[in-house]
Amino acid sequence: DVKVTQSSRYLVKRTGEKVFLECVQDMDHENMFWYRQDPGLGLRLIYFSYDVKMKEKGDIPEGYSVSREKKERFSLILESASTNQTSMYLCASSRMSNQPQHFGDGTRLSIL
Amino acid sequence: RKEVEQDPGPFNVPEGATVAFNCTYSNSASQSFFWYRQDCRKEPKLLMSVYSSGNEDGRFTAQLNRASQYISLLIRDSKLSDSATYLCVAFTGGGNKLTFGTGTQLKVEL
Repeated sequence: DVKVTQSSRYLVKRTGEKVFLECVQDMDHENMFWYRQDPGLGLRLIYFSYDVKMKEKGDIPEGYSVSREKKERFSLILESASTNQTSMYLCASSRMSNQPQHFGDGTRLSIL
Repeated sequence: RKEVEQDPGPFNVPEGATVAFNCTYSNSASQSFFWYRQDCRKEPKLLMSVYSSGNEDGRFTAQLNRASQYISLLIRDSKLSDSATYLCVAFTGGGNKLTFGTGTQLKVEL
């Protein structure tokens, strides 16, 4: 069965901190994605990756960076956390671009 | 105009009713579509994929109308457990990514 694991369900950080969100998938999928979800705005794509060491900007990349050193792991980095980055963060993976994505449980991040 | 648009609802229906949601998409090049279900404070889970004219899985039927650029989800014999938000998703080859609608909320009541 498909499994996408995010490192934390809930996280509280302070403004200005560097924050790391980790995501691991065990399906040998090529593609991995990071989204944030906010009420009324739906899922918005932050970054995605089609291969190891490859990354592409999504719709809202500002204030974020990513790292994909291994195929199974995709990390989202908030370089200097701000209160407007308080949100639900969802990681997903898929075998091919036109196939459905499978999501992790999500991380509820609060920036104080 | 949003790429994928859904009526946010909520749709309040009695148990056993049939309910249908529509989802419109703006990009005529969209190739495939998905319906996801998302429970409150949980991750989206795949309900159904639609690659051609439609798909059926038990009580759930999805239909694609390319001429009018909409996709529908029909739920028959609604159960209390069907209460959730339903997300419509389109894949467009040019952008090589999925575009999510903001979801339609369904509440099934006794």
